[in-house]
Amino acid sequence: AQKITQTQPGMFVQEKEAVTLDCTYDTSDPSYGLFWYKQPSSGEMIFLIYQGSYDQQNATEGRYSLNFQKARKSANLVISASQLGDSAMYFCAMRDFALGYSTLTFGKGTMLLVSP
Amino acid sequence: EAQVTQNPRYLITVTGKKLTVTCSQNMNHEYMSWYRQDPGLGLRQIYYSMNVEVTDKGDVPEGYKVSRKEKRNFPLILESPSPNQTSLYFCASSTRGPTDTQYFGPGTRLTVL
Repeated sequence: AQKITQTQPGMFVQEKEAVTLDCTYDTSDPSYGLFWYKQPSSGEMIFLIYQGSYDQQNATEGRYSLNFQKARKSANLVISASQLGDSAMYFCAMRDFALGYSTLTFGKGTMLLVSP
Repeated sequence: EAQVTQNPRYLITVTGKKLTVTCSQNMNHEYMSWYRQDPGLGLRQIYYSMNVEVTDKGDVPEGYKVSRKEKRNFPLILESPSPNQTSLYFCASSTRGPTDTQYFGPGTRLTVL
């Protein structure tokens, strides 16, 4: 079974609108971290936001927020007020210790296109 | 500025010619890791290191070597590159905690002819 599932290969949004990118995860480890990374066309991986499994509140970083629903094992990224520069590939990732060592597992990604 | 650096950023080489991709971080991180990114396969971990002189295999270690002689450096070595190692490679580092954030280098785009 996939550890990280991103069901949306591509998303389109108009500038200034909000968009939600979906992510579900699977782990047997009670302690884990969930991450979102942005990869623009230039190729670098940019860290956006982190949510720990024991965090009570949803993480927020500027226009990014993480909608963490632990019981449903989902960690959706919400981008408010989209900008043209948000057009990129977005990866959800999870770091856990389920295999006895720390691994970071990525989903397949969602391509976001922001139009004027 | 806190960062992870990789060199070279782009490399075209031929089958069998040994090469090294360097990775360096200035954040005093214990944990370092190498990933490769391929279309349709996403990012996969090659090797990781929990600290100096401690390295271990990730998901796709075949054809690669690493070393960790200093805390800041974690080079990736391809002793005899083959065309199936053509990929985008990322180095990443983090603090020791198993769920801590990993910070990535800018990537190295490798083509093996």
